[in-house]
Amino acid sequence: AQRVTQPEKLLSVFKGAPVELKCNYSYSGSPELFWYVQYSRQRLQLLLRHISRESIKGFTADLNKGETSFHLKKPFAQEEDSAMYYCALSTSGSARQLTFGSGTQLTVLP
Amino acid sequence: NAGVMQNPRHLVRRRGQEARLRCSPMKGHSHVYWYRQLPEEGLKFMVYLQKENIIDESGMPKERFSAEFPKEGPSILRIQQVVRGDSAAYFCASSPGLNQPQHFGDGTRLSIL
Repeated sequence: AQRVTQPEKLLSVFKGAPVELKCNYSYSGSPELFWYVQYSRQRLQLLLRHISRESIKGFTADLNKGETSFHLKKPFAQEEDSAMYYCALSTSGSARQLTFGSGTQLTVLP
Repeated sequence: NAGVMQNPRHLVRRRGQEARLRCSPMKGHSHVYWYRQLPEEGLKFMVYLQKENIIDESGMPKERFSAEFPKEGPSILRIQQVVRGDSAAYFCASSPGLNQPQHFGDGTRLSIL
């Protein structure tokens, strides 16, 4: 069975500092990885997916199959980045269900 | 496009009652997913439906829970004879196709007294 681990429940950084939110996964097949973000009082929304290799709001994430990781990074954090971040995995096959990590609450301090 | 609409936003039930949660997918989306989130945990997959069909219900509890997505109208997640452990946030997501990203609703917060 697949599993997603986000080891940090809470992460605080100062504005302008680099930020990295960790995500590790276990899955024997070829996964598709996502980062979802939930800002205060808003719904969960897709931030980025690994197959598109985009940079959204300055965030990037690289799939490292050797380390089974998909860490989310941003070189200079902004206060508006404060939110709950969820890493999610989708397996191959017909179901396309998402398996979520437990989330990391990021706080960017002024 | 209003996005995925879930109602009610909050639902309170007493033990033994039935809970009905509704989800209207985004316009043009025919794939619906239900997830449950317990406190301090991530979202857990429950069921995946297309119009009039349950495709994958591997995450649904074996008893008391059912889901449908009729030809007309919203998808319904139904919980019969609710118990305290059913208290959670229930999220619905929809996508236009099998390999397309899922878009989430605001969720329904179910509280069991």
